[in-house]
Amino acid sequence: EVQLVESGGGLVQPGGSLTLSCAASGFIFSDSAMHWVRQASGKGLEWVGRIRNKANNYATEYAASVKGRFTISRDESKNTAYLQMNSLKIEDTAVYYCTRVLVLPFDCWGQGTPVTVSS
Amino acid sequence: SYELTQPPSVSVSPGQTARITCSGDALPKKYAYWYQQKSGQAPVLVIYEDNKRLSGIPERFSGSSSGTMATLTINGAQVEDEADYYCYSRDSSGVFGGGTKLTVL
Repeated sequence: EVQLVESGGGLVQPGGSLTLSCAASGFIFSDSAMHWVRQASGKGLEWVGRIRNKANNYATEYAASVKGRFTISRDESKNTAYLQMNSLKIEDTAVYYCTRVLVLPFDCWGQGTPVTVSS
Repeated sequence: SYELTQPPSVSVSPGQTARITCSGDALPKKYAYWYQQKSGQAPVLVIYEDNKRLSGIPERFSGSSSGTMATLTINGAQVEDEADYYCYSRDSSGVFGGGTKLTVL
């Protein structure tokens, strides 16, 4: 069964840092690009960023709203992708989903992990 | 970057046809994808490459695209189809439409 499981969400103060993990199983993780998408309460989906696979040099790209503050990485030995979030702002409060692009974009999603930025 | 524009809401009675549109300048060159998100759940891909239905998605769901507009059609909408629907256009990065809340009642 193809599965993505996020973890690491929680409450953090403005200016703080948090790292989310996305554990993948049931497919060849190394073939996939991994993306992060977030959704603030009552709002739409916002693409955060992605990391491509080894064949594409693990290239990363980020939304303008998080560029310079967020970093996506991956560990092939653990079949896990990460989202490191620094200098967090209140407007970063959202549920964060990881999702994959293998053949089709975003054909599998995790259950999401909530991040709350508040003092 | 480009934008994808969807109507905020669409409402139909059960058994009627629901049409949700997505407009964007990139759509003549890029495929449209549609995602269904029910309350409290993660999104699910329902239509890919403009008009292909993912395995397991009911036949009442279909997609089309012409010029700068893509359309998700639900023929004979059911109460269980009530959800938010998002279009997406594939590029090196990602752009989602703002989402359309479909109400079936």
